[in-house]
Amino acid sequence: GIQVEQSPPDLILQEGANSTLRCNFSDSVNNLQWFHQNPWGQLINLFYIPSGTKQNGRLSATTVATERYSLLYISSSQTTDSGVYFCAVNTGFQKLVFGTGTRLLVSP
Amino acid sequence: DAGVTQSPTHLIKTRGQHVTLRCSPISGHKSVSWYQQVLGQGPQFIFQYYEKEERGRGNFPDRFSARQFPNYSSELNVNALLLGDSALYLCASSQIETQYFGPGTRLLVL
Repeated sequence: GIQVEQSPPDLILQEGANSTLRCNFSDSVNNLQWFHQNPWGQLINLFYIPSGTKQNGRLSATTVATERYSLLYISSSQTTDSGVYFCAVNTGFQKLVFGTGTRLLVSP
Repeated sequence: DAGVTQSPTHLIKTRGQHVTLRCSPISGHKSVSWYQQVLGQGPQFIFQYYEKEERGRGNFPDRFSARQFPNYSSELNVNALLLGDSALYLCASSQIETQYFGPGTRLLVL
């Protein structure tokens, strides 16, 4: 099956810093989503981005489907950005395969 | 608009028991998927239902079953619980492509 790898696995930032999270996938996909999982376990949709670039406030994402990777940019990080970031790819009808996750800690 | 809702929020069971988890999708969404997330890992796909029919099944034993009702809500059933079934169970609903997740049910098997 498809493999989805994320890097880095862990990231510690000071408030105000910028960061880039990467998601590599091993095969063609129908679509890709980025999620933020907060400390209570809630998965929050960040982006649906099968290709191209999108921006939402301090966050932006880029997917290059032909090269099988996606990037999530976080600018001016805040403590509330802490948590685990997952990318997930859809290879069939509504079945998401999640990546390995990046655990982010933003300190004040 | 209400998001995806799940019940109960927490559950403690003992080995060998049976459990039923419930999910109500976002209004208008006809597809419901279930995922299991064990501590420290990403969610793993269990089932997907669309218009009350099973459309996909992940690599889980037959102890796991699910169904979708005419109002598109769904139940996940797990029989003969094992310690390894302790996890966060997530339900997601979708209309076209984007999946939206509920808050999950935390199951602890003792």
